[in-house]
Amino acid sequence: GAVVSQHPSRVICKSGTSVKIECRSLDFQATTMFWYRQFPKQSLMLMATSNEGSKATYEQGVEKDKFLINHASLTLSTLTVTSAHPEDSSFYICSASRGAGQETQYFGPGTRLLVL
Amino acid sequence: EDQVTQSPEALRLQEGESSSLNCSYTVSGLRGLFWYRQDPGKGPEFLFTLYSAGEEKEKERLKATLTKKESFLHITAPKPEDSATYLCAVPISGNTGKLIFGQGTTLQVKP
Repeated sequence: GAVVSQHPSRVICKSGTSVKIECRSLDFQATTMFWYRQFPKQSLMLMATSNEGSKATYEQGVEKDKFLINHASLTLSTLTVTSAHPEDSSFYICSASRGAGQETQYFGPGTRLLVL
Repeated sequence: EDQVTQSPEALRLQEGESSSLNCSYTVSGLRGLFWYRQDPGKGPEFLFTLYSAGEEKEKERLKATLTKKESFLHITAPKPEDSATYLCAVPISGNTGKLIFGQGTTLQVKP
C-alpha cells in the first residue's frame, strides 16, 4: 500500500503560539511531500512542496516564515505554523509521492487546526 | 494554461441509480490523471491513475475511463456509502510533481 499518517489529527491552540504538524509515509520512501490547506467546501490549495534534504518551495502568497516546512528524511515532513492567529484556523493536509516519475500523491488524513 | 473542470458540482442519486462524473482537462503533455475520494473531515483517498487515452480501471462499483480531453468516473448501482466528494487531478506542465485539482463533485446516494 501507500499509507501516509498525520499527527495530530486535531489541535486547538491559543493565538500567538506555534503548532507543529507531522506527516509520515509509513510504508514507502517519499522523495517529495506536499502541504495543502483546505477551507470548507473548497478544493485543496497547495501551500508548498518539499523534497528531502532541501528547502521547501512555497506557492505564491504563502508566507515561508509563517509556515515552516522541514523534510528531514524520506519518511517525515513537518509543518510548523508559527505565531498562529485565528485566520490560520483551517484543515491542513499533507501528501507524499515516491518521485522519480511516479507522480501519484498519497494523502494523509488531515489536521484540523483551531486557533482561539 | 493548465485547467481541470469537474461536472456536475453536486449529484444526488437514489441507491442503485448508475451515473457518471466528468473531469475535463487542459494540460500540455498529460502525465497521468488521478481520481480521489474525499469524505468530510478527511484527506483524499487515492482511487485510480490513468495514463493514456482508452485506458480503463475498475474498483468495486467504480470505473474510470480516459480520453484525450476528459475522464469519466462511472458509478454502477451506487450505495449510500459511496456518498463523498470525488476529485480529479492532473500534474501541471513542467516536472514539479504538483497537481492541479478540479473543484470536485459531491455525490449523495440516498437509500
